[in-house]
Amino acid sequence: EPEVTQTPSHQVTQMGQEVILRCVPISNHLYFYWYRQILGQKVEFLVSFYNNEISEKSEIFDDQFSVERPDGSNFTLKIRSTKLEDSAMYFCASMPASNQPQHFGDGTRLSIL
Amino acid sequence: RKEVEQDPGPFNVPEGATVAFNCTYSNSASQSFFWYRQDCRKEPKLLMSVYSSGNEDGRFTAQLNRASQYISLLIRDSKLSDSATYLCVWRRSNDYKLSFGAGTTVTVRA
Repeated sequence: EPEVTQTPSHQVTQMGQEVILRCVPISNHLYFYWYRQILGQKVEFLVSFYNNEISEKSEIFDDQFSVERPDGSNFTLKIRSTKLEDSAMYFCASMPASNQPQHFGDGTRLSIL
Repeated sequence: RKEVEQDPGPFNVPEGATVAFNCTYSNSASQSFFWYRQDCRKEPKLLMSVYSSGNEDGRFTAQLNRASQYISLLIRDSKLSDSATYLCVWRRSNDYKLSFGAGTTVTVRA
């Protein structure tokens, strides 16, 4: 069964540095998402992406964050000038068409020191 | 009021038992509901969609009550492998982002 893949599985970064989290969605999927889950808390929506543009973003997704789909297969989340509170699991998800279930990658654990 | 609220549990049940729990939602524009399961520090995995007429998938039964604004999940004949956090998830009709409850923890003991 096709999977959403995410790299790296664990990223450790100094506060203030930039990180890029990578995702390869399932190949025929059209909708792409980033979610995060701070340890012990619920999964939170960050951003959705469709037709090469952001379709919705949450209040968490401020100017520090950006997304790209640079080459038609990868979908990246960039966090500039990381803060301690950015430490979380970041999940990428994709969906083939509207009204279909979303499929999640196994996440990147981001640890900011 | 939170969009989605779940009883956090934990529900600690013996193998073979039946366990059921609910999730209430507040947004009347809610369109689609799902149950996901999440194992410790893993990604959410779709367990089942929830349909208005109720639906069953093996040992799992999901119900949706729009009048009272809750969904439920029932697990029959619990297995050790059912131990997980069960996430109540909904999606509005006019967009496709998912909103998650905090989860209900189920522990099945031998």
